[in-house]
Amino acid sequence: GESVGLHLPTLSVQEGDNSIINCAYSNSASDYFIWYKQESGKGPQFIIDIRSNMDKRQGQRVTVLLNKTVKHLSLQIAATQPGDSAVYFCAENKNDYKLSFGAGTTVTVRA
Amino acid sequence: DAGVTQSPTHLIKTRGQHVTLRCSPISGHKSVSWYQQVLGQGPQFIFQYYEKEERGRGNFPDRFSARQFPNYSSELNVNALLLGDSALYLCASSAPGSHNEQFFGPGTRLTVL
Repeated sequence: GESVGLHLPTLSVQEGDNSIINCAYSNSASDYFIWYKQESGKGPQFIIDIRSNMDKRQGQRVTVLLNKTVKHLSLQIAATQPGDSAVYFCAENKNDYKLSFGAGTTVTVRA
Repeated sequence: DAGVTQSPTHLIKTRGQHVTLRCSPISGHKSVSWYQQVLGQGPQFIFQYYEKEERGRGNFPDRFSARQFPNYSSELNVNALLLGDSALYLCASSAPGSHNEQFFGPGTRLTVL
């Protein structure tokens, strides 16, 4: 069964605002946590990952926060744009070949 | 640059039939993984192949099998299709040592009637 899960299945955000997508996990043995984005009709696309011994990692317009105490992972998107509309998945990897995905949050950006 | 390609794009089969799905990884990638994505859910890991050897298998029945060829392309075979096999089948390739960043193809949409 899944060991990662998302808090909310949908999120609506105004263009230009910041988005926060949350994810809970149960497997403390995971070495990495990863965020993927899936646009309609496409396969998932890697956004950013974070090693389990880190608390925060920043990319271009995105920040991932990891709270190991409460087993919580979040993805923050700054200045959300229409192109950010997609389904976002958190996933975990025990530093091997298999990614375990959660159910996904659908983000809709309002103009 | 060509990404991961999959064929066919869509496929309709009836229960009991078998199906073969194909995948070509990004040039230089030797690892290919297969995932099943049921509508409304995240992808579920089926197999990974590396250098033509099966490296891992997810929780799927023996009706599911795969192989990887010398050019690193891969096939996923599913026998005795069930209605519940209807899903998007995704193939992903990754560079050596880069297990987190997998490059996914657009998938094959399989419908079993």
